[in-house]
Amino acid sequence: AQKITQTQPGMFVQEKEAVTLDCTYDTSDPSYGLFWYKQPSSGEMIFLIYQGSYDQQNATEGRYSLNFQKARKSANLVISASQLGDSAMYFCAMRDFNSGNTPLVFGKGTRLSVIA
Amino acid sequence: DAGVTQSPTHLIKTRGQQVTLRCSPKSGHDTVSWYQQALGQGPQFIFQYYEEEERQRGNFPDRFSGHQFPNYSSELNVNALLLGDSALYLCASSVGNTIYFGEGSWLTVV
Repeated sequence: AQKITQTQPGMFVQEKEAVTLDCTYDTSDPSYGLFWYKQPSSGEMIFLIYQGSYDQQNATEGRYSLNFQKARKSANLVISASQLGDSAMYFCAMRDFNSGNTPLVFGKGTRLSVIA
Repeated sequence: DAGVTQSPTHLIKTRGQQVTLRCSPKSGHDTVSWYQQALGQGPQFIFQYYEEEERQRGNFPDRFSGHQFPNYSSELNVNALLLGDSALYLCASSVGNTIYFGEGSWLTVV
């Protein structure tokens, strides 16, 4: 069974600094995808970045990058140049591909607070 | 291009009542999934609809049911509401690995 672990319940970062949010995963499927979502207090889950298990390079999307270490089964999110608007809950999620269109499995999330 | 839209955004129900939540997927997305997010937790998968059929189901009782219409929109129905059903209900639409969520429906059961 798939499992996502986010060990940081909360994180603080100074505005304009970089921050890393940790995510480890467990799966027996060799083909899978890893996702990060941002959830502001409004509730909407906003897609940030995706990494496939066979992708050779780490994914990047603007200020977001994914530090993918396959052997360690980790998929940490790096946010560069933090902004006050980055304050939110952040969820790591994954899905396996060999069993068809499987649903996302989420971690418990990390609450990021950006300080001015 | 509208994203995933959900309605209602907030609602309060009494124990034992029934509720229907609605979701319109992003244009071009044919698969709709529903998730329940309890306070302080990550979302939990309820079920997924594709071609108007329930394709996969998470560990939720039969009180939770759904439907997908020919235009890909979907409904989530919950019968005999319990206090523990209070949560944020998220709809996700997808095509391939592109998965987008709506803003959710906040359900409070009193």
